[in-house]
Amino acid sequence: EAGVTQFPSHSVIEKGQTVTLRCDPISGHDNLYWYRRVMGKEIKFLLHFVKESKQDESGMPNNRFLAERTGGTYSTLKVQPAELEDSGVYFCASSQDLSPGFSYEQYFGPGTRLTVT
Amino acid sequence: SQELEQSPQSLIVQEGKNLTINCTSSKTLYGLYWYKQKYGEGLIFLMMLQKGGEEKSHEKITAKLDEKKQQSSLHITASQPSHAGIYLCGADDGGSNYKLTFGKGTLLTVNP
Repeated sequence: EAGVTQFPSHSVIEKGQTVTLRCDPISGHDNLYWYRRVMGKEIKFLLHFVKESKQDESGMPNNRFLAERTGGTYSTLKVQPAELEDSGVYFCASSQDLSPGFSYEQYFGPGTRLTVT
Repeated sequence: SQELEQSPQSLIVQEGKNLTINCTSSKTLYGLYWYKQKYGEGLIFLMMLQKGGEEKSHEKITAKLDEKKQQSSLHITASQPSHAGIYLCGADDGGSNYKLTFGKGTLLTVNP
């Protein structure tokens, strides 16, 4: 079974440009998460999808970030316009259906390293 | 918000030695996750422990959850160079979406 995949693995863009990151979750996983790690900091939650619906986007830094998950399969995270502080590694994770009171494994992708110059 | 503190921040051991990494939470632990990351790579899922106190083992790695202490430990027996990497603990908030909060990680070096 294929794991979580992310594309591209690395992106270098100039300040002011637009970048779109893609995540393909494990097949059948309704829950999809985006996280980010900026230099020297711990990994931080950005947002959570259940199928195509945004359940929690409390971690999104500002309105320059837009996440979508059309059809409830893969997801994209667009940064427009990119700023220097957006540099970091963006991780995607997926998990199966959630039942109240039980935690489920979250499987992470390899991440996309974004460098804004 | 929940905070996770990992100790030690880094660890250098000789191959064959045992070691323990700790993860302490500022709040009640629900699901506690251990991941391993090699430089430039993604997070490899190791184990998940459920609220209530639990212990799991896989090969030479054992993880325990102490609910009262709000702490989890990861123990590696007879370490090997392949165990080297960054170990991260994460905890969910027990809410409806189980988003994870992470510690800063523990860098493990295993010398042959």
